[in-house]
Amino acid sequence: SQQGEEDPQALSIQEGENATMNCSYKTSINNLQWYRQNSGRGLVHLILIRSNEREKHSGRLRVTLDTSKKSSSLLITASRAADTASYFCATGLSGSARQLTFGSGTQLTVLP
Amino acid sequence: DTAVSQTPKYLVTQMGNDKSIKCEQNLGHDTMYWYKQDSKKFLKIMFSYNNKELIINETVPNRFSPKSPDKAHLNLHINSLELGDSAVYFCASSQVMDQPQHFGDGTRLSIL
Repeated sequence: SQQGEEDPQALSIQEGENATMNCSYKTSINNLQWYRQNSGRGLVHLILIRSNEREKHSGRLRVTLDTSKKSSSLLITASRAADTASYFCATGLSGSARQLTFGSGTQLTVLP
Repeated sequence: DTAVSQTPKYLVTQMGNDKSIKCEQNLGHDTMYWYKQDSKKFLKIMFSYNNKELIINETVPNRFSPKSPDKAHLNLHINSLELGDSAVYFCASSQVMDQPQHFGDGTRLSIL
């Protein structure tokens, strides 16, 4: 079964609005990462938050992590048409199996 | 300048054929991966290699065989292609396993 699941599956907003995507996971993690995938391209790493961190910022991105609820959120502020993409969370599992496990993503469409 | 490059970008072939996808990274990373992304964008890890040694081999048919001639290359050979193999295959690399990964732009495999 999937470790990370994003919600919503699709989100459509107007340029300038904020976009919030959520990720829930099931087991203990070392870190949680967010990636962006533009149509027809590979995934691009956006931000990593460690299990002992609660919030992290990078430019217009804000990520929160709640390990008690096993959830994370990605906020994109002042969205632009160029932010249109799929966004994935990936969990780095604790223990010996330190692979990343990806969810199926949130498709964000920012309308000009 | 491309960090992770994979070839070919598109692969259209008939059922039963054997094909290979090549991947090279120039980032000096120790770990490389193959992922399969299905039509619903779910990304599933297939293999992981660390310094030319197989670390992860998920439940993948043995028709799929990875080969790592050196740390910078991880190729994927697929025997007896089936309709269900149609997907986008991504190569990725990272310095260690649960750290940010760099992805190639994918190989779109279509089985006729």
